Amino acid sequence: AQSVTQLGSHVSVSEGALVLLRCNYSSSVPPYLFWYVQYPNQGLQLLLKYTSAATLVKGINGFEAEFKKSETSFHLTKPSAHMSDAAEYFCAVSQSGGYQKVTFGIGTKLQVIP
Amino acid sequence: SAVISQKPSRDICQRGTSLTIQCQVDSQVTMMFWYRQQPGQSLTLIATANQGSEATYESGFVIDKFPISRPNLTFSTLTVSNMSPEDSSIYLCSVATGDYGYTFGSGTRLTVV
Repeated sequence: AQSVTQLGSHVSVSEGALVLLRCNYSSSVPPYLFWYVQYPNQGLQLLLKYTSAATLVKGINGFEAEFKKSETSFHLTKPSAHMSDAAEYFCAVSQSGGYQKVTFGIGTKLQVIP
Repeated sequence: SAVISQKPSRDICQRGTSLTIQCQVDSQVTMMFWYRQQPGQSLTLIATANQGSEATYESGFVIDKFPISRPNLTFSTLTVSNMSPEDSSIYLCSVATGDYGYTFGSGTRLTVV
């Protein structure tokens, strides 16, 4: 069984401030972890993924996430928020070892305040 | 990575009717997935569609309500049958890429009235 918990359904940050979106996972086997972004009226775009290589994963648009097994976390960060970062962000988990079912978190809506 | 064209992008349908959503991929892929995103909620996997075999449905989803076709390695359809207002959602198709990632279509926004 696997699950994802995203803490905070809504997060507001000022433009230029640090973005931190929290994700904790549960998996009975080593996981693959993903962050996706969804802009209004669009599909999902992959930001980054962890597939058991480096624990610090760098993605697109300046985002990165660190896999911490001891904390079962995969938090998403960006040093300086931009207005264009306003969107909904989904953390997701699947089991490692090939293509497996992906389970998504409930999502976090990021608001960037000018 | 693969590029997915999903049609229609949105539709408004009468209750009791059916809608077929198409997903076209620009390269051959083995595994395709169909998701539902209900208003204000996360994505829920409906079924996995592999070419040459019957789709595998998740708990709570049945073939009579959501029949899926997968005639070749670049195309799939999902039909939402006998629709009710509760079926109003965004439906997305997804494919597995070559690096344990997944690419999503832009979604079909369905409103049932």
